[in-house]
Amino acid sequence: VQLLESGGAVVQPGGSLRLSCSASGFTFDNYAIHWVRQRPGKGLEWVSLISGDGRTTYYGDSVRGRFTISRDNRKNSLYLHMNSLRPEDSALYFCARAPWGGAFDYWGQGTLVTVSS
Amino acid sequence: SYVLSQPPSVSVAPGQTANIICGGSNIGTKSVHWYQQKPGQAPLLVVYDDSDRPSGIPERFSGSNSGITATLTISRVEVGDEADYYCQVWDRSTDHPWIFGGGTKLTVL
Repeated sequence: VQLLESGGAVVQPGGSLRLSCSASGFTFDNYAIHWVRQRPGKGLEWVSLISGDGRTTYYGDSVRGRFTISRDNRKNSLYLHMNSLRPEDSALYFCARAPWGGAFDYWGQGTLVTVSS
Repeated sequence: SYVLSQPPSVSVAPGQTANIICGGSNIGTKSVHWYQQKPGQAPLLVVYDDSDRPSGIPERFSGSNSGITATLTISRVEVGDEADYYCQVWDRSTDHPWIFGGGTKLTVL
């Protein structure tokens, strides 16, 4: 099982960014995939989830209405569309696999987002 | 919303036992998962569903959960166990059910 994030960058406040997570080594559409972030020097914060079939999504309070999670099961890929970015969105963003309601059993290495003017 | 509380730090000498606690309302009714994170690395699942270990995790790592406290126990602590440890639950009663504790820094003296 491998998860590989990409797309992190330096972006100005109010800007947009799309993160990607490429998966391999398992049947991608059998699993819900999450985004979890970690601000510099801080703890883990759950961001968003999408179900295996893409029909169900959840968002954390701090990103709801600004971020959109999506997936393309034909490409074994997960995305996070981030709009109206704020300095407090600066973090290392991980994608992680978890059975519904279960533990995050595999994680990517993360991609860094910096929101700064 | 549901809150998980962890002490910021725990210190233990090599060879001793470390107990890292995670507090939450009726946490004993939920499944608790524990992650280890070393500097510059992604989190690693070390205990799931309160007390089960993923393949490859040493038996020195164990967990328990009852009442208002879940505990990660690391026996015969090694220098390589120094890391941040996070507890996590799934609280189906909210619309953002995946919740992490604030993390505990384990220092091996």
